[in-house]
Amino acid sequence: DTAVSQTPKYLVTQMGNDKSIKCEQNLGHDTMYWYKQDSKKFLKIMFSYNNKELIINETVPNRFSPKSPDKAHLNLHINSLELGDSAVYFCASSPRGLAGGYNEQFFGPGTRLTVL
Amino acid sequence: AQSVTQLDSHVSVSEGTPVLLRCNYSSSYSPSLFWYVQHPNKGLQLLLKYTSAATLVKGINGFEAEFKKSETSFHLTKPSAHMSDAAEYFCVVSETDSWGKLQFGAGTQVVVTP
Repeated sequence: DTAVSQTPKYLVTQMGNDKSIKCEQNLGHDTMYWYKQDSKKFLKIMFSYNNKELIINETVPNRFSPKSPDKAHLNLHINSLELGDSAVYFCASSPRGLAGGYNEQFFGPGTRLTVL
Repeated sequence: AQSVTQLDSHVSVSEGTPVLLRCNYSSSYSPSLFWYVQHPNKGLQLLLKYTSAATLVKGINGFEAEFKKSETSFHLTKPSAHMSDAAEYFCVVSETDSWGKLQFGAGTQVVVTP
């Protein structure tokens, strides 16, 4: 069984479009995250939700809006896509909801977004 | 504030020889430290983690890392490289009050030659 899954795996779209990426985890974890990996493979956190509550919101353009319908799902909606949004987006989950860095994060396979 | 520096962007080793990937960190609090591996076009997989217990940490696939507070280092080693070890490796730090926010290093690409 897949622990953290993302759909779609690949997404190719035109500038200005709106798109969504979905993430689901079946690990029973409390906390979920979105990361962006750029073309140089640098990974940076974008958002985190704990039990459907937003707890981390880095300096991300407000065209990006995360939504967590329940603690097993965290979706990422992107409005008015730009060329610079092209990247690989990773979802991750972690078991502990309270502040604590001791728990590792489990990553999904990634969604490669290409904006033309 | 926390940060991670991976001292080598690229490491090339021969199959069967030791691997050393160097990582230095900066953290205001007691950090957790991780090494993740990313094979081409794949997600990230945890190799090992340090969480203030033993300073020598053993991970999967024969990897281990040693936490040295005095040197603020967390270098990753493996005694004998396999072809399957060719991948990108990330050193990662997380502070205990950071809601699990991970700060990634820039990555080290490992190439293994026959």
